Amino acid sequence: DGGITQSPKYLFRKEGQNVTLSCEQNLNHDAMYWYRQDPGQGLRLIYYSQIVNDFQKGDIAEGYSVSREKKESFPLTVTSAQKNPTAFYLCASSIQSSTDTQYFGPGTRLTVL
Amino acid sequence: EDQVTQSPEALRLQEGESSSLNCSYTVSGLRGLFWYRQDPGKGPEFLFTLYSAGEEKEKERLKATLTKKESFLHITAPKPEDSATYLCAPWSSASKIIFGSGTRLSIRP
Repeated sequence: DGGITQSPKYLFRKEGQNVTLSCEQNLNHDAMYWYRQDPGQGLRLIYYSQIVNDFQKGDIAEGYSVSREKKESFPLTVTSAQKNPTAFYLCASSIQSSTDTQYFGPGTRLTVL
Repeated sequence: EDQVTQSPEALRLQEGESSSLNCSYTVSGLRGLFWYRQDPGKGPEFLFTLYSAGEEKEKERLKATLTKKESFLHITAPKPEDSATYLCAPWSSASKIIFGSGTRLSIRP
């Protein structure tokens, strides 16, 4: 079955800690994305990548970092510089560009203790 | 500035009671619009892509329509399993996608 997996499903972070969220896809898609979802708000783009070893900042990149060493993988690190990291994080992928249909993973809920 | 507004924020219907969800937007050079369904605690699931005014797409009890300034998601004779949050996401000529905050739909048996 092709799809997008995210892990873990739930993640708890202490203040001052960096944490990494995993995103893997086996759809052979070139483009991958990270979004943040807060209650009552639309999805906001954190980072996106259209090709291996290249990525661009989205609207709310401060306090986050990514890497794209393999086509299938696009991990997101939430650093201690992110002041309000508690949210639901969604990874997505599309064939090539952001206006191709984006397919989403199941999400990771991050809570700061 | 590009904006999208979905209304109502929440809608409660009786099973079988048809209604429509609205997505209105101001987008520079609209190129298309996505509709997604999202269940609580899960990722959005793709429903439709619309590209031009006048276009309509259907899937089971759902029909999406598009005009120059808004899109509607019509739900006909809904069932409890249609309960979810429905998200719209138009995109501009600059290929920037904007997600709405969604309409939370609840269908009572």
